[in-house]
Amino acid sequence: GAVVSQHPSRVICKSGTSVKIECRSLDFQATTMFWYRQFPKQSLMLMATSNEGSKATYEQGVEKDKFLINHASLTLSTLTVTSAHPEDSSFYICSAQDRGYRNQPQHFGDGTRLSIL
Amino acid sequence: AQSVAQPEDQVNVAEGNPLTVKCTYSVSGNPYLFWYVQYPNRGLQFLLKYITGDNLVKGSYGFEAEFNKSQTSFHLKKPSALVSDSALYFCAVRDRNNAGNMLTFGGGTRLMVNP
Repeated sequence: GAVVSQHPSRVICKSGTSVKIECRSLDFQATTMFWYRQFPKQSLMLMATSNEGSKATYEQGVEKDKFLINHASLTLSTLTVTSAHPEDSSFYICSAQDRGYRNQPQHFGDGTRLSIL
Repeated sequence: AQSVAQPEDQVNVAEGNPLTVKCTYSVSGNPYLFWYVQYPNRGLQFLLKYITGDNLVKGSYGFEAEFNKSQTSFHLKKPSALVSDSALYFCAVRDRNNAGNMLTFGGGTRLMVNP
């Protein structure tokens, strides 16, 4: 089945550090990738939709200068949390959609737990 | 606009008993419906989907779900629960007319299967 690899799985760093998270579709091409944030015991909150070769579309309330998204190829999207602070600590999950198959499920990475000290 | 409701934060069931996790949805057009399961510190794993055709869909690990258009529901079911089914379950919907492929998730239901 379709596999999405997300790296790193866990990051612990000091306040003010920028952190990059990678999301790769390993065996399919993903025109669209999605970035979610999940707080403890809560559902997934869509942060942005990443389209290959174009600017990401951010959801209301998500700072695009804080959460930089790059989708340079059909198999890779990156999320960079710039100058991270403790309130950015969360579980970040990416997903990818196989292009051309809108009725197919999104495939999710295993998530990245970000802890800012 | 599209939305999903999972009315139960937690469902408790004894091992071997049937389980149901409820989901209702709202879309302006016709829905694509999905169930996902999440284990601790992991991403979401796809369980099953309804696209068209038979209202009863079967998925991974013995799970099934029934699409009910009149009640706008898509409840997840399993005839005999296992302790290993204990996890967080999410229902999701996408409007077929949603060009952006965006999924909307319910709030999640924690399933606890007791030995």
